[in-house]
Amino acid sequence: KAGVTQTPRYLIKTRGQQVTLSCSPISGHRSVSWYQQTPGQGLQFLFEYFSETQRNKGNFPGRFSGRQFSNSRSEMNVSTLELGDSALYLCASSSLSGRDYNEQFFGPGTRLTVL
Amino acid sequence: QKEVEQDPGPLSVPEGAIVSLNCTYSNSAFQYFMWYRQYSRKGPELLMYTYSSGNKEDGRFTAQVDKSSKYISLFIRDSQPSDSATYLCAMLKTSYDKVIFGPGTSLSVIP
Repeated sequence: KAGVTQTPRYLIKTRGQQVTLSCSPISGHRSVSWYQQTPGQGLQFLFEYFSETQRNKGNFPGRFSGRQFSNSRSEMNVSTLELGDSALYLCASSSLSGRDYNEQFFGPGTRLTVL
Repeated sequence: QKEVEQDPGPLSVPEGAIVSLNCTYSNSAFQYFMWYRQYSRKGPELLMYTYSSGNKEDGRFTAQVDKSSKYISLFIRDSQPSDSATYLCAMLKTSYDKVIFGPGTSLSVIP
């Protein structure tokens, strides 16, 4: 079974621009979560989508948004980029098959650099 | 205060040593506790999970949860250079809740 894929793997943008990141979950997984990972803050939860609906949301400003399509693929958008948005953005999918611990299967991430 | 605290390290040990990695948390509602391992340039992968208090063993790895102290641990016996990675603790309140990760501890096992 193919794993979680994220595109692009690397991205360089300038302040004020916007960016869209894409995530394809493992086949059959309907939950997709997004995380921001930085050396100082660690792995921080952005939001989770399940069946095209946002189910959980972290404490990030409204510049960060996402959506999920009917095939469970998800996109994350960041508008008006700031230098502090430079980070590794990780997508994780979960089957929510009834297991207790909501195991997250992570993609390799998109490394975003804002200049 | 962050919900989950973890010593960031880096931690450097000789091959064969016993490694102890720890997390503390503040929210007593957490019930599910996990350890993820993240190699350089990769996404995290689940290593172990435990429900509520108690111990769980899987090969060279043992996870312990002490809910009364709000403290969880991961022990690695006979550590190997291939164990060199960042270890993240994670926890959640219910199975449909968002997962909260610790900041991670960087571990290097020196041959």
